[in-house]
Amino acid sequence: GAGVSQSPSNKVTEKGKDVELRCDPISGHTALYWYRQSLGQGLEFLIYFQGNSAPDKSGLPSDRFSAERTGGSVSTLTIQRTQQEDSAVYLCASSLATAWNTGELFFGEGSRLTVL
Amino acid sequence: AQTVTQSQPEMSVQEAETVTLSCTYDTSESNYYLFWYKQPPSRQMILVIRQEAYKQQNATENRFSVNFQKAAKSFSLKISDSQLGDTAMYFCAFMKPPHVSMRFGAGTRLTVKP
Repeated sequence: GAGVSQSPSNKVTEKGKDVELRCDPISGHTALYWYRQSLGQGLEFLIYFQGNSAPDKSGLPSDRFSAERTGGSVSTLTIQRTQQEDSAVYLCASSLATAWNTGELFFGEGSRLTVL
Repeated sequence: AQTVTQSQPEMSVQEAETVTLSCTYDTSESNYYLFWYKQPPSRQMILVIRQEAYKQQNATENRFSVNFQKAAKSFSLKISDSQLGDTAMYFCAFMKPPHVSMRFGAGTRLTVKP
């Protein structure tokens, strides 16, 4: 596609439910990132995928969070047993390779998650 | 660990005037990259400008320029001739290869007033 596409754009769920957030990166981009943006906060790194390498999961806040990237393209971020503190905007970004080559990550518009 | 601090949660500027957004960072590294990203109300983050730490010359992109002070670990963004479309959240970010997670500050909400 022309840009990074994320779905759903908004998701309201009840505490304890599982949610899946989807990211479709720009075609040909081998690097994919997930960030979390809480109200009034900067972007918190969650996870990074690069090609077929093992993902960097160092930013995942708990074992309730997981992500996969199928076929080196679409990625799904799964949050199990959601808690109210999980409420945030989840941003996905992609880049051609390791981002320091160009410094540019291409971001989607995010998925706003609200946990009641 | 690297941290990025933006001390101005909100700023405003009159259209056509100049505004400077502050950013400081903490690192013991000598080679790294700094960025300013813009997030308009649409939520989509857009790269504004980048600076390589090994370059002494300040980066410039049209109306946007930076004042990079490596010794002081300061990286401010100057917006000249402010336009209404510049209204957005601005995030300062740091990246140290090979670690790929870009560290972001908390952001500065800039409002350009007509």
